Amino acid sequence: KNEVEQSPQNLTAQEGEFITINCSYSVGISALHWLQQHPGGGIVSLFMLSSGKKKHGRLIATINIQEKHSSLHITASHPRDSAVYICAVRWAPDKLIFGTGTRLQVFP
Amino acid sequence: EAGVAQSPRYKIIEKRQSVAFWCNPISGHATLYWYQQILGQGPKLLIQFQNNGVVDDSQLPKDRFSAERLKGVDSTLKIQPAKLEDSAVYLCASSLRIQNRRLEHEQFFGPGTRLTVL
Repeated sequence: KNEVEQSPQNLTAQEGEFITINCSYSVGISALHWLQQHPGGGIVSLFMLSSGKKKHGRLIATINIQEKHSSLHITASHPRDSAVYICAVRWAPDKLIFGTGTRLQVFP
Repeated sequence: EAGVAQSPRYKIIEKRQSVAFWCNPISGHATLYWYQQILGQGPKLLIQFQNNGVVDDSQLPKDRFSAERLKGVDSTLKIQPAKLEDSAVYLCASSLRIQNRRLEHEQFFGPGTRLTVL
């Protein structure tokens, strides 16, 4: 069993739909990251969470430390949101464990 | 500030050939990471440098992979000889800076180098 599990692996949506991506982890962590990876390969950090909830534009990330679970929500999805979304947990100050990613495709 | 730079962006080679990737981290970042990301998987740490010293290379296939970070700034990752299973995106990341008198460990990633081994 992987230490970081994401679901779903693949997700398709129509433009405007509300999207949720889930991440569960089994190790103790100090922070959780949500990352976005476009087809070119580069990774952009969306959020770093250690508790509660953060919002940036149409993106919302939540974390429940007791349940070891985090969700990434996209409201009013748009084709430009199409990417791979990766959950990564920080189990040591300088160490990350990555999930396998959720591939999102949003169609117009 | 400028981000993490990597080159080349794409490389296609035949098996048994050699290849090298270059990374320039964000200025002032002491820690540099090389990750391998095989298609459909999350990134896997290959090697971690703190300044010009190796902190963690436990998952680096040392029979064919090597990396160096001379002068504690730029880094190169080499594969010699390449195998088909080395086809992946190679990501460089950097971290560890002092901000507001605190150590910040957030990792910043480069655009990656996509390697195809035929």
